Amino acid sequence: EIVLTQSPGTLSLSPGERATLSCRASQSVGSNYLAWYQQKLGQAPRLLIYGASSRATGIPERFSGSGSGTDFTLTISRLEPEDFAVYHCQQYDSLPYTFGQGTKLEIK
Amino acid sequence: QLHLQPSGPGLVKPSETLSLTCSLSGGSSRTADYYWGWIRQSPGKGLEWIGSSSYNWNTYYNPSLKSRVTISVDTSKNQFSVKLDSVTAADTAMYYCARARRKFGDQGFLWFDPWGQGTLVTVSS
Repeated sequence: EIVLTQSPGTLSLSPGERATLSCRASQSVGSNYLAWYQQKLGQAPRLLIYGASSRATGIPERFSGSGSGTDFTLTISRLEPEDFAVYHCQQYDSLPYTFGQGTKLEIK
Repeated sequence: QLHLQPSGPGLVKPSETLSLTCSLSGGSSRTADYYWGWIRQSPGKGLEWIGSSSYNWNTYYNPSLKSRVTISVDTSKNQFSVKLDSVTAADTAMYYCARARRKFGDQGFLWFDPWGQGTLVTVSS
């Protein structure tokens, strides 16, 4: 099973700042089969990024994904108030599909 | 636009079977292009994929739950379901249903999108 480790656990930033979230896999994720989701309090996760770097429909350009192999990054170029939430990465390369434990992005 | 709505008991007794249904609107479950799945999130913890099924019952399960879980699709009712046997307090969680596109060659499936709202299930006597 591929274990995904997200860091940091909590990230405290201010609106307008740049956020960099990390997702590290215990083994290589083939075909860049990695997704990122945003989860706001009391809501279901929402797909942001698939294929490590492709934005889902309707996702603002300030969200970008990068990486390959075992190291992946989600970058939010300029934080908006609505971006403060929990972010999860997920690999869909090999079964069982697994998620990271999440990074909480909070307002500083 | 596809909308998924889960339903089921919010309270289940230990050792009994948890049963949830996800009803679809704005799209059909009878499609070879997608898998229908369940994911759960225990209080204060990360997301855990439970399992997924195609419309013709090609299923994938998380090995950690495989001995206790069954996922099925009822195309006549445009819904899919999960049953989890012999539940314990550790199965208390928010349960989500979601769709995932089938991989080329039917070697599994891709990312989850969209998700239904969660339904909280508590296991307690």
